[in-house]
Amino acid sequence: KAGVTQTPRYLIKTRGQQVTLSCSPISGHRSVSWYQQTPGQGLQFLFEYFSETQRNKGNFPGRFSGRQFSNSRSEMNVSTLELGDSALYLCASSLDIYGYTFGSGTRLTVV
Amino acid sequence: GDSVTQMEGPVTLSEEAFLTINCTYTATGYPSLFWYVQYPGEGLQLLLKATKADDKGSNKGFEATYRKETTSFHLEKGSVQVSDSAVYFCALSLSNFGNEKLTFGTGTRLTIIP
Repeated sequence: KAGVTQTPRYLIKTRGQQVTLSCSPISGHRSVSWYQQTPGQGLQFLFEYFSETQRNKGNFPGRFSGRQFSNSRSEMNVSTLELGDSALYLCASSLDIYGYTFGSGTRLTVV
Repeated sequence: GDSVTQMEGPVTLSEEAFLTINCTYTATGYPSLFWYVQYPGEGLQLLLKATKADDKGSNKGFEATYRKETTSFHLEKGSVQVSDSAVYFCALSLSNFGNEKLTFGTGTRLTIIP
C-alpha cells in the first residue's frame, strides 16, 4: 500500500515569504501530525490533526498553522518566513498511538 | 514534562561488533516506546516498538526491552553491519486524549566501519 507522501521534497524560499507543505496520509489513517527537524533542536512536534480537528499543538509561534481536509490530507503553512525556519518538515500518519508512519519530508531552505 | 534522553553520539563501531544505544524516559503516564531509524536524506522508519512494561520489541536483529523499573528502552544488536549506519531515535507516546504525539530523544548517529 502507498506510504505517506509529502510534497514538495525540496523548497527554497526568501525571508518574509510564506510556504505551504502538503501531506497525504496512508489510506484509512485519520491522524496526521507534523514535526520539524533541525540540527540544533532535533525533532519537535508541531501539531496533530484528527478528522479535520487540531487535537494537539506544540510550542511554535502562530506563524505555523495547519489544516486537515475531509480526505485526511493535511497541509501546513508557515507565514513570514525566517532563516530559522529552515528545516526538514516531517509528516506522520497513524491509526492510533502505536504506529506512526513518516513521509520522506520536505526540506525547506529560507534564504 | 515528558522527555526522552538517549546516548550522545556519534558512535563508531567495527562491523560485527555488539551495539548498545541507551535510552531512558520520563513520562507522567504509561508510555509506548519506539525506536526509529533515519537514513541520509530520508524520513523516519519505525524500527521497533513496545507498548507495555516487559515487552520486547525486535526487528532486523535489533532488540529493546521496555523496563519500567529503570524507565529504560535500550537498543541492542549482536552483530552490526555497514548497512546499519544511520541515525537512531528513541521516542515515546502517551495515550492521554489530546496528547497524541511522539516525543523524541536527540538521536544517536551510528557509523559502522568495514
